[in-house]
Amino acid sequence: GQNIDQPTEMTATEGAIVQINCTYQTSGFNGLFWYQQHAGEAPTFLSYNVLDGLEEKGRFSSFLSRSKGYSYLLLKELQMKDSASYLCAVRNNTDKLIFGTGTRLQVFP
Amino acid sequence: GAVVSQHPSRVICKSGTSVKIECRSLDFQATTMFWYRQFPKKSLMLMATSNEGSKATYEQGVEKDKFLINHASLTLSTLTVTSAHPEDSSFYICSARSSGSKYEQFFGPGTRLTVL
Repeated sequence: GQNIDQPTEMTATEGAIVQINCTYQTSGFNGLFWYQQHAGEAPTFLSYNVLDGLEEKGRFSSFLSRSKGYSYLLLKELQMKDSASYLCAVRNNTDKLIFGTGTRLQVFP
Repeated sequence: GAVVSQHPSRVICKSGTSVKIECRSLDFQATTMFWYRQFPKKSLMLMATSNEGSKATYEQGVEKDKFLINHASLTLSTLTVTSAHPEDSSFYICSARSSGSKYEQFFGPGTRLTVL
């Protein structure tokens, strides 16, 4: 089967750093995506990793280890507006995006 | 960035009626469109993949006769929920991918369907 696991909920303080982990087992691998989703809205693209290593984009970074089936999203200098769900998704060998359950992040002042 | 719209954003209907949801790519040609549904506090579940001019490919467990998908042009796909029941109430999201963007999918704003 195909499985993507993320923590269900996380909390953090404004200005802090938070790391959201994602482990996956899928039928093939053609890249891993992170999306941000606010309640009642569509997901918005944050990052894409297809090779091992760290991709940095402003306050957000995403890491991938294909051998471990593992990724994380790192959010620095947290802001209140970062309170949202973060979805890890893997593109499998049939070119479909398989989504994890999502991690709801709450940022407190 | 590329923009995908959905219409309507919210719809309430009576049990037994059919509802059509439109998904449009506004500034690019979408060779492939995807339909997802999302239950509260759950992640997106892929329902079907449609390629322009051909029949949609449905995921296991999704009834093709209940969820009719038409991808008639490179900018429009429609999902029709036929004979809707309360258990069909959900958030339906489409996404689109162009031939020039192998990896990125652009998501529509979603449609909240409530069946009474």
